[in-house]
Parts: sequence; C-alpha cells; structure tokens
Amino acid sequence: AQSVTQLDSHVSVSEGTPVLLRCNYSSSYSPSLFWYVQHPNKGLQLLLKYTSAATLVKGINGFEAEFKKSETSFHLTKPSAHMSDAAEYFCVVSLSGSARQLTFGSGTQLTVLP
Amino acid sequence: SQTIHQWPATLVQPVGSPLSLECTVEGTSNPNLYWYRQAAGRGLQLLFYSVGIGQISSEVPQNLSASRPQDRQFILSSKKLLLSDSGFYLCAWRTGILGEKLFFGSGTQLSVL
Repeated sequence: AQSVTQLDSHVSVSEGTPVLLRCNYSSSYSPSLFWYVQHPNKGLQLLLKYTSAATLVKGINGFEAEFKKSETSFHLTKPSAHMSDAAEYFCVVSLSGSARQLTFGSGTQLTVLP
Repeated sequence: SQTIHQWPATLVQPVGSPLSLECTVEGTSNPNLYWYRQAAGRGLQLLFYSVGIGQISSEVPQNLSASRPQDRQFILSSKKLLLSDSGFYLCAWRTGILGEKLFFGSGTQLSVL
C-alpha cells in the first residue's frame, strides 16, 4: 500500500521569498515520486519527478525537491517565489512498474503576496 | 506529438440525469487510461483505469462506470447523477506500466444541481 500526505493545505509567501511545500509518503516498495502543479482552469503539469536516481531533483520554473528516505519526505522548494507560482501543488507517489497508479496528496494551495 | 482531448469543459446537470464524459488520446497506441475526480477541498482520487480495450478496473465503488470501446477512447458514465458526483474530472494517460509521465486532459467541471 502507498500513501502520501501533504502537511499544509495552504501556504502563503511574499514574492521573492523562499517556498517550501511539504510532502511525506509511505510505500512498501521503492517509490517514484512526483510534484504536479495545477493553475486555475488548466490541466495538471508535471514539475519534477524522482525515480531512484539523484536524490535532489531539479524541475521546471526553478523548483526542486529532495528525496529523503530516512524521513520519508519529498519536500518541494524554490529559492524565490514569483507571482506566477500561485497555484495548487500535488505530491504524488507511484509504485514503480505498476499499472495501477499514482496516489495523489490532498494538495497545497500556494498564495504569493506582492 | 501526443495530445489528449477531454470534453465538455463544464457541465451542469440535474440530479437523476445521465452523464457521459469522453476522453480521446492521439499520437500514441495502447496507452493506459485513467479517470480521476477532484472533489472540492480534496486531492485527486482515482476512479477507473484501463490497460486495454474493454478492460476496466474500478478503484472505488460508486455511482459511475467507465468504458473503453476503442484503444484511445475512454468514457465516464452514469445512469443517474447524485449531488455527490459534483467535482472536477480529469482524464489521463501514460505509455504502459513503465511510463512514468502522466499526461492529463484539461478536465471537466461537473455541477450536479
């Protein structure tokens, strides 16, 4: 069984300050982990993914995430928030090689203040 | 290149009416297809997935059903909608069980009144 917990339903930051979106997972096997972003009225977009290679994963738009097995975490970070980063972010875990699927977290709504 | 089409974008239906949401994929063959629902304030929930024509797996018991009449077509249906069926429905696909990247449609906002 696998599950994912996003610890914050809402995060608010000022433009130009760092962003931290937290995610913890549980999986019986070595998982693949993803972060997706959903802007209003748009489909989901893949930000980055971890698939048992380097533990620090760099994604699009300046985001990165670090896989920490000992802490079962995959937190998403960005050094400096931009107004366009305001969106909902989903942490996702997948059992590698499974047709069944991706398990999504409940989402974190990121607000960027001017 | 691969594209995924999902329609309609928005839908308002009365309680008890039928539902049919359609999703088609272009530019790939034999994809794994998925239907997700995002209820207000909750994460995405997997409803159905399909690894081939006529093969449907249901993840949660509910008022909905899915069908895959063609390789690149996936349909979500209901005979009688409930208020609790309201939500945002997403179709998605990936290239087989080893395909890690999931491609999403633009979604359908369903309001049941």
